[in-house]
Amino acid sequence: GAGVSQSPSNKVTEKGKDVELRCDPISGHTALYWYRQSLGQGLEFLIYFQGNSAPDKSGLPSDRFSAERTGGSVSTLTIQRTQQEDSAVYLCASSLGPASPLHFGNGTRLTVT
Amino acid sequence: DAKTTQPPSMDCAEGRAANLPCNHSTISGNEYVYWYRQIHSQGPQYIIHGLKNNETNEMASLIITEDRKSSTLILPHATLRDTAVYYCIVRVAWGSQGNLIFGKGTKLSVKP
Repeated sequence: GAGVSQSPSNKVTEKGKDVELRCDPISGHTALYWYRQSLGQGLEFLIYFQGNSAPDKSGLPSDRFSAERTGGSVSTLTIQRTQQEDSAVYLCASSLGPASPLHFGNGTRLTVT
Repeated sequence: DAKTTQPPSMDCAEGRAANLPCNHSTISGNEYVYWYRQIHSQGPQYIIHGLKNNETNEMASLIITEDRKSSTLILPHATLRDTAVYYCIVRVAWGSQGNLIFGKGTKLSVKP
């Protein structure tokens, strides 16, 4: 079946521009997560949505980062006024619920020039 | 911070069993042990998880010690395609702490 889909797969942007990254989770999955992975580094948790509950935003690195999940399905991660240190692979994952394994997409590689 | 300790790298001969250890001495009673792997340029892939009993699926086996302070992931017949970074993670199953905290993992190299 269809897995987690992320778009675009690659994004190059100029410093100072805003970017939007999209995640289509697996149908029926109530939990959705965003992580980022910088070159050669481990995965860093950013934000977590579970059903209609308020999202856990504890991992967002600054107020330039925000995310929303519309209709309990598709999610968009927005980075405003991008900086070079924002360059990373942004990974989205979904799960049936907080007790279920996460299924990851292949990420969006963001490069800020 | 990650609550697990793994060796940074391991080698394994193709066709042999790969045994990947993980220490999680501070694991709580309501935390599961999860294993994921990440092949280059892909998102992490779920392998297996368990609470206290040993588990087996089509990909691997998970052996958890009786005191739950450590575990071993076993790939019974490693292939070149199993070359990846393997992450051992402890995770609360319920509530708002559902996110995974990844450590640095073990880079497994399967050699011909």
